[in-house]
Amino acid sequence: QVQLVESGGGLVKPGGSLRLSCAASGFTFSDHYMTWIRQAPGKGLEWVSYIGRSGSTVYYIDSVKGRFTISRDNAKNSLYLQMSSLRAEDTAVYFCARDRGVYSSSWYGVDYWGQGTLVTVSS
Amino acid sequence: DIQMTQSPSSLSSSVGDRVTITCQASQDISNSLNWYQQKPGKAPKLLIYDASNLETGVPSRFSGGGSGTDFTFTISSLQPEDIATYYCQQYDDLPITFGQGTRLEIK
Repeated sequence: QVQLVESGGGLVKPGGSLRLSCAASGFTFSDHYMTWIRQAPGKGLEWVSYIGRSGSTVYYIDSVKGRFTISRDNAKNSLYLQMSSLRAEDTAVYFCARDRGVYSSSWYGVDYWGQGTLVTVSS
Repeated sequence: DIQMTQSPSSLSSSVGDRVTITCQASQDISNSLNWYQQKPGKAPKLLIYDASNLETGVPSRFSGGGSGTDFTFTISSLQPEDIATYYCQQYDDLPITFGQGTRLEIK
């Protein structure tokens, strides 16, 4: 069965950096776009970033452009999110998620989500 | 950005009731809409994709409809395990955007 397991969250000071990882299993990782979606405490869902199947195409929400970098290692079935210049407003649970499209060149929304990892930005 | 306006923001209904949630897009998104269920402390779960298609394994009491800018999500007979927050999501264009959520409670 599809499994997505995030790690790397924690407490970081404003301006600091953190790298999130997501280990995928139960499906052909390289066949899917992958994405990060976050949820601030008690708030709704916010899409953060998408990465294409080969890793050559990436997309970000404006508020993280230039600060976050999404990447993937298809040989290791892993997704990453390098976060730098972190701000208080980046505090959230970060979900790794699989796009629903199979072997596609576009995105179709998420069908599987990890359990999430909490990132807290505070001094 | 495409804005998704979801209503109501909260809803209290009785077991067995028919429940309907609406989602309006700020521009035509065809049928590029998904519906998710999120229970407290858990990850969201896909229920409906492409506006009206039931995800495999999801009970048939859940349904979706609409196209263009106006969409509906319906639970035909509310069950106690349906207590959750429901979100619509458009994927017609980036940034992907979600409705603000509908918190569903049992009366």
